[in-house]
Amino acid sequence: DTGVSQNPRHKITKRGQNVTFRCDPISEHNRLYWYRQTLGQGPEFLTYFQNEAQLEKSRLLSDRFSAERPKGSFSTLEIQRTEQGDSAMYLCASSTRLPSTDTQYFGPGTRLTVL
Amino acid sequence: KNEVEQSPQNLTAQEGEFITINCSYSVGISALHWLQQHPGGGIVSLFMLSSGKKKHGRLIATINIQEKHSSLHITASHPRDSAVYICAVGQNSNYQLIWGAGTKLIIKP
Repeated sequence: DTGVSQNPRHKITKRGQNVTFRCDPISEHNRLYWYRQTLGQGPEFLTYFQNEAQLEKSRLLSDRFSAERPKGSFSTLEIQRTEQGDSAMYLCASSTRLPSTDTQYFGPGTRLTVL
Repeated sequence: KNEVEQSPQNLTAQEGEFITINCSYSVGISALHWLQQHPGGGIVSLFMLSSGKKKHGRLIATINIQEKHSSLHITASHPRDSAVYICAVGQNSNYQLIWGAGTKLIIKP
């Protein structure tokens, strides 16, 4: 299967710990998106990469959140000093063009629980 | 008021019924997406359309650009269609999709 993959699928951590998630997009996709989704809500945009460049960050992405895509392939999302409010599903998606003209392909998500 | 509104929020129907989920938007768009999310998280893109109508199996999506409205129809609904259906719109030169809140569909056998 050459779809979008995310690791880990589940993460349980204690408040105050740092966590890092990984996303591997479809190999020929140069655009990569991170979203956060809480129960009963639609996905909230966090950040967007075109190749290795981070072109947009939501104001939801506080200073405790950082994302990288060092070689324009896989991406990591790090949350420092986790808080209980960070508990959510973190989704990654990739595409070849902008959402105005292209479908986004989503990974299975990483479910974060902060105790 | 949200830029993308979906109705109904929740829908329960019997197997075999014809299902309609609606999406209205208040912004200019270049494409509208319908996506499906099953319990457990995975989101699957169903349709991307900018005009007219698209059909895939038992699913039909229509859009009326003048009225800023789209509908997703499911014919001969089945319990495996139970999921959250999300409408999202894309705009030219905008990196982000603007998301609706989703419609939770339950099909009872």
